[in-house]
Amino acid sequence: EAGVAQSPRYKIIEKRQSVAFWCNPISGHATLYWYQQILGQGPKLLIQFQNNGVVDDSQLPKDRFSAERLKGVDSTLKIQPAKLEDSAVYLCASSLDLAGAQWRPGELFFGEGSRLTVL
Amino acid sequence: AQSVTQLDSQVPVFEEAPVELRCNYSSSVSVYLFWYVQYPNQGLQLLLKYLSGSTLVKGINGFEAEFNKSQTSFHLRKPSVHISDTAEYFCAVSVEGYDKIIFGKGTRLHILP
Repeated sequence: EAGVAQSPRYKIIEKRQSVAFWCNPISGHATLYWYQQILGQGPKLLIQFQNNGVVDDSQLPKDRFSAERLKGVDSTLKIQPAKLEDSAVYLCASSLDLAGAQWRPGELFFGEGSRLTVL
Repeated sequence: AQSVTQLDSQVPVFEEAPVELRCNYSSSVSVYLFWYVQYPNQGLQLLLKYLSGSTLVKGINGFEAEFNKSQTSFHLRKPSVHISDTAEYFCAVSVEGYDKIIFGKGTRLHILP
């Protein structure tokens, strides 16, 4: 079974530039998450999708961050314009449908992450 | 709202020695508790979880954790560590019935030869 795919793995940009990260979840996983992991900290949830609807985006800085999951499969996270404090690893994860019979609480499957450096 | 505190940012331990990584949580409702592991340059993977039932849960790679409701703790243990256990370990919590996972800041486990 293929895992969660993310790209690019590494990105270096200057502040005020824009960047986009892509994530393809495990096939059949209805729930998709984007986490931000700043060096020395735990992952912080930015946005959670159930199919193509947003479940939680309370911690997404909406003035500069946006995310979409148009067809309920892969997703894109965009930052525009980037700030120095956005330097972090952006982790995508997926899980089975919360309402589904096969749901296993807390069983998230993570990609390897996209490391962003803002200069 | 629920939260997780990992008391140690780094834990050095000699190879083949036992280890305990500490985690405390706070929540006013029933919770699910998890430990995730992140090996260098990799994503997180689930190590073990407590949902209900037996308070001692066993996970992969010989790790186990004990849920203690009175002390609101979920400490992770391994009786004998190996160099391959070098990684960062994250304790996490979610509210029963919901799929939002809150992670702690992580504990970096250093295995000394």
